[in-house]
Amino acid sequence: DVKVTQSSRYLVKRTGEKVFLECVQDMDHENMFWYRQDPGLGLRLIYFSYDVKMKEKGDIPEGYSVSREKKERFSLILESASTNQTSMYLCASSSRGTGLREQYFGPGTRLTVT
Amino acid sequence: GNSVTQMEGPVTLSEEAFLTINCTYTATGYPSLFWYVQYPGEGLQLLLKATKADDKGSNKGFEATYRKETTSFHLEKGSVQVSDSAVYFCALKGAGGTSYGKLTFGQGTILTVHP
Repeated sequence: DVKVTQSSRYLVKRTGEKVFLECVQDMDHENMFWYRQDPGLGLRLIYFSYDVKMKEKGDIPEGYSVSREKKERFSLILESASTNQTSMYLCASSSRGTGLREQYFGPGTRLTVT
Repeated sequence: GNSVTQMEGPVTLSEEAFLTINCTYTATGYPSLFWYVQYPGEGLQLLLKATKADDKGSNKGFEATYRKETTSFHLEKGSVQVSDSAVYFCALKGAGGTSYGKLTFGQGTILTVHP
């Protein structure tokens, strides 16, 4: 069974803290993605990675960075957390090959910044 | 750029009612289209998909037909159950080989089904 896991389901951090969200997939997928989910806005892509050490900005990268040192792991970093980064964060992965390359999602991390 | 627009929610139905959730898109060429479902407390799961015009995706009693002429991919189910209560997302993957599988999502539609 395919699996994408995220390090925490719930996280509470203070304004200005550095926050790390971890995502691990066991499907040997090349592509990995970080989204944030907000009511009425759907999912918005923050960053994605198509290979180890490679990354591309998504639609809303400001205030975030990412790291991919190993194929199975993709980290999202909030350099200095702010209250407007309170949200649900979803990680996903997909294979690179031809075809539809379905994305598989983790359960999400609900981050609250106070 | 690509965009997806879903009908506003929330949608509240009684069990065994007919469901339609509208989805329209803007994209160049021939994108692939998806419906994802998110049950309470979980991540998204692929519900169904279609890759070309007039394709019909189906799964668990849900159906959606890729309509190029109306740029639509409406989700339907003939008889909903309480267990279908979830958030439904329409999404597209742009045509072309360099998109790395990126998806563009609609805003999501909350469905609540009462017994």
